Amino acid sequence: GAVVSQHPSRVICKSGTSVKIECRSLDFQATTMFWYRQFPKKSLMLMATSNEGSKATYEQGVEKDKFLINHASLTLSTLTVTSAHPEDSSFYICSARGRASKNTGELFFGEGSRLTVL
Amino acid sequence: AQRVTQPEKLLSVFKGAPVELKCNYSYSGSPELFWYVQYSRQRLQLLLRHISRESIKGFTADLNKGETSFHLKKPFAQEEDSAMYYCALDAGSNYKLTFGKGTLLTVNP
Repeated sequence: GAVVSQHPSRVICKSGTSVKIECRSLDFQATTMFWYRQFPKKSLMLMATSNEGSKATYEQGVEKDKFLINHASLTLSTLTVTSAHPEDSSFYICSARGRASKNTGELFFGEGSRLTVL
Repeated sequence: AQRVTQPEKLLSVFKGAPVELKCNYSYSGSPELFWYVQYSRQRLQLLLRHISRESIKGFTADLNKGETSFHLKKPFAQEEDSAMYYCALDAGSNYKLTFGKGTLLTVNP
């Protein structure tokens, strides 16, 4: 099956710094990628939809200047948490949909990245 | 707006017992519904979707539009079924999914 890889899997940073998380589709071209945030014991919260070559579409309540998303190629999307604060500490997960998923609706998920802001 | 409700946060059964994970949805249109599963220390992966009407690992799920439900069932649970299960709804284009809060299934020996 299709593989989506996230890096780093864990990151600890100081308050005020910026952190970049990468999401790569390893063996397929991802026309659309999604970024989620997962709080402890809560569901996945969709943050934004990222389409290759265009600006990301953010969900209501998600600050686009805080969470910068770039989808520069068909295999890579990045999420940058700018000027991170402790409340940004969370588990961030990406998923990708490729051309092959068009008829199946299946999303392929990364393994997630745990961000801890001190 | 669409919503997915999984009323049980935790579900514990014994091996060999039947299991049903409940999922109810709220959406005015014709939804596409999915079950995703996350085994311990693994990523989320698709278990099944209502359109395909298939059985995966012994699990089935039937879309009941009258009750707006998409419960996941398995007649005989196995220990390896222990995992976090998420019901998800696709309400429109681009497969932007709305997830339920998940149910942690534990199958005891």
